[in-house]
Amino acid sequence: EDQVTQSPEALRLQEGESSSLNCSYTVSGLRGLFWYRQDPGKGPEFLFTLYSAGEEKEKERLKATLTKKESFLHITAPKPEDSATYLCAVQARGGSNYKLTFGKGTLLTVNP
Amino acid sequence: GAVVSQHPSRVICKSGTSVKIECRSLDFQATTMFWYRQFPKQSLMLMATSNEGSKATYEQGVEKDKFLINHASLTLSTLTVTSAHPEDSSFYICSARVQDSLEQYFGPGTRLTVT
Repeated sequence: EDQVTQSPEALRLQEGESSSLNCSYTVSGLRGLFWYRQDPGKGPEFLFTLYSAGEEKEKERLKATLTKKESFLHITAPKPEDSATYLCAVQARGGSNYKLTFGKGTLLTVNP
Repeated sequence: GAVVSQHPSRVICKSGTSVKIECRSLDFQATTMFWYRQFPKQSLMLMATSNEGSKATYEQGVEKDKFLINHASLTLSTLTVTSAHPEDSSFYICSARVQDSLEQYFGPGTRLTVT
């Protein structure tokens, strides 16, 4: 069974204080790993897809990296508007099943 | 691009009635759409996968006769909660997979309250 574990559950940062969120996964053949951002009362917003170990993607203050066992979401000099829950999900290889298995998320709070 | 809409955003209904939620991909075709529910402070739980023109595939423990899913076109899927009860109150979110891609984009969600 595919499993995704995110840590920490919650993280408080001061504005400008860089940090990383972790996503550890177990999957029977990785097709893709996805990062989403979710604001309260809203649907998840797509951030990145990573396909293979060693891959990195960046968007503004966010950078996602992938190894064979985990992914990191690095946040550089965060701002209060980066406060949200960050969700990691994996998609397993095989057939036409494209469903995602989500972790429980990391609630990030950035204080001004 | 890759915008998914849901309607309604909020709905309150009485116990025993049925509620229909629409999910539309506005600027792309979605062969596959997914329905999730999310309880407060918890992650997304996949309820079912729907493919255009075929029957939905439900996750274990999800009652297919209670949560009716129809995927009539490449841009529209509907979820009908039949004979709703207070325990069905939740945040329902759909996602759509971009054709020929792995990426899924989510709708804004529908808050269902059953009184």
